[in-house]
Amino acid sequence: DAGVIQSPRHEVTEMGQEVTLRCKPISGHDYLFWYRQTMMRGLELLIYFNNNVPIDDSGMPEDRFSAKMPNASFSTLKIQPSEPRDSAVYFCASSLLSGRNQPQHFGDGTRLSIL
Amino acid sequence: DQQVKQNSPSLSVQEGRISILNCDYTNSMFDYFLWYKKYPAEGPTFLISISSIKDKNEDGRFTVFLNKSAKHLSLHIVPSQPGDSAVYFCAASGENTDKLIFGTGTRLQVFP
Repeated sequence: DAGVIQSPRHEVTEMGQEVTLRCKPISGHDYLFWYRQTMMRGLELLIYFNNNVPIDDSGMPEDRFSAKMPNASFSTLKIQPSEPRDSAVYFCASSLLSGRNQPQHFGDGTRLSIL
Repeated sequence: DQQVKQNSPSLSVQEGRISILNCDYTNSMFDYFLWYKKYPAEGPTFLISISSIKDKNEDGRFTVFLNKSAKHLSLHIVPSQPGDSAVYFCAASGENTDKLIFGTGTRLQVFP
């Protein structure tokens, strides 16, 4: 079975540009999570969805970040405008039930570099 | 404000010996804890978990210990193997939430 699929794997762009990260969760999973990994803060939860509905976006750093899940098989994380401090690895994860008691399955991440 | 802390950024252990990775948490409402393992250029993968009603959970070479009074948990790997070299993340969650709070990770290197 295919795991969580993220695209692109790498993104390099200039400051001020719009960046869109994409995620396809595992089929049948009810929950989808977006994380950001940095050396200083480890894995931070940005936002998560349950049945395509955003449940908690308190981790989204500021209004420049937005996320959508138009259907059960696709989600996007958008940064507009991008800044150098947004450079990080962004992970998408999905789980069958709540990520609390069920392991979350992670994609391989998008390494984002903002110049 | 880190609610889950992994104070050792790295650990180096000889093959065959025990690896002990530590994790501390500050939120007394946490009642479920997990360890994830991450190889370079890959996403984290679930390793082992423990509920607060237990103080130990074992799965093959991996054992997680929970000390609720100290708000501390540890992951023991015995015996350590070179393939265990990875970054290990501790995570925690509380009741009435679907969120996991992750630590900053500990890089384990197992050398021959």
